Amino acid sequence: GAVVSQHPSRVICKSGTSVKIECRSLDFQATTMFWYRQFPKQSLMLMATSNEGSKATYEQGVEKDKFLINHASLTLSTLTVTSAHPEDSSFYICSAPLPGQNYGYTFGSGTRLTVV
Amino acid sequence: AQSVSQHNHHVILSEAASLELGCNYSYGGTVNLFWYVQYPGQHLQLLLKYFSGDPLVKGIKGFEAEFIKSKFSFNLRKPSVQWSDTAEYFCAVKPYAGNMLTFGGGTRLMVKP
Repeated sequence: GAVVSQHPSRVICKSGTSVKIECRSLDFQATTMFWYRQFPKQSLMLMATSNEGSKATYEQGVEKDKFLINHASLTLSTLTVTSAHPEDSSFYICSAPLPGQNYGYTFGSGTRLTVV
Repeated sequence: AQSVSQHNHHVILSEAASLELGCNYSYGGTVNLFWYVQYPGQHLQLLLKYFSGDPLVKGIKGFEAEFIKSKFSFNLRKPSVQWSDTAEYFCAVKPYAGNMLTFGGGTRLMVKP
């Protein structure tokens, strides 16, 4: 079936550095990619929606300059956490609608980011 | 905008007990409804979904959910839980005409052997 491959699965970085998370759609084209953030013991909160070839749409309260999203091709969307701080430590998950109307969604396996 | 409420944050059951997890949504139009499960250390997996037709939906691993439109509810049920059902369960909703999925707060289920 349609799969979204997310890398890296875990990353530890120093404060002030930037981290890039990639999500690739395998065997299908993802014109849209949703990026979620999940804090420990909490639900998934939608951060932004990326659309291939256009600017991402950010949810209220999400800093556009801090969480840079690029969707340059139909199979790749990236989230870059710039100038990371410890409070950015979280679990980031991407998701793409599956091909076909109202067919459902496929989720990446997530990236656990730890900023030290 | 739509919203989803899951009333049970933590549930502890013994094996073979019956399970019902509540989910209510808020949205003025037609919706599609989902239940996802997240096992410890794993990513989200779809348990079942409702798009249209029979409001009683059967999913994987013996789970089912009933869509009650008048109550804006989509409760998840399982007649007899197993230890392996220990996980976190998320209800989600999206507008029929859109593709933005909104998740409930999640319910952490622990099944004692």
